[in-house]
Amino acid sequence: RKEVEQDPGPFNVPEGATVAFNCTYSNSASQSFFWYRQDCRKEPKLLMSVYSSGNEDGRFTAQLNRASQYISLLIRDSKLSDSATYLCVVKRNTGFQKLVFGTGTRLLVSP
Amino acid sequence: GAGVSQTPSNKVTEKGKYVELRCDPISGHTALYWYRQSLGQGPEFLIYFQGTGAADDSGLPNDRFFAVRPEGSVSTLKIQRTERGDSAVYLCASSDTRAHSGANVLTFGAGSRLTVL
Repeated sequence: RKEVEQDPGPFNVPEGATVAFNCTYSNSASQSFFWYRQDCRKEPKLLMSVYSSGNEDGRFTAQLNRASQYISLLIRDSKLSDSATYLCVVKRNTGFQKLVFGTGTRLLVSP
Repeated sequence: GAGVSQTPSNKVTEKGKYVELRCDPISGHTALYWYRQSLGQGPEFLIYFQGTGAADDSGLPNDRFFAVRPEGSVSTLKIQRTERGDSAVYLCASSDTRAHSGANVLTFGAGSRLTVL
């Protein structure tokens, strides 16, 4: 089983739609959680951190459920420019700073 | 520099050849990472440096892969006797571990696309 699992998609949604991605992680010692965004043939970039109480950044909302080892990302009012791959990322609670990436979920927003 | 710089951006080589990929991290970032990304997959961890030392090299797939960071800045990933399965995008990232929040933010370079024929 992979340490971080995501539905690869693609998720095809119209502009203005609300879409949610889920991610599960297997290592209960995981400490920190993030969503990165990766455009086609580009490098990953940090989208947002995920906090235990949930957090929002504009149209993006991230949630963490430690008991179920589950992370989610909600995008409201989707824009064409949101089309990308969204990578779920987990950092273990160890002395090393290794971040483990999921395979990513691909989002396609159409006019 | 302003960002993480990786060279070459593209490298095509023949099976069995030796390859070096270079990474120049953001100035002042003490932590440096190498990841490998195959088509349709997420980045796969290879090795992490804190300063000059490899703090975690558990992701290196075998002894054909080696990385150095002799002066705590630029790093080189070295692949000996390349195989077709080594074809991937090799991503380098750096982070600022001086600030707690900064340690979690990886800034990636554009990657080196390696093709082994």
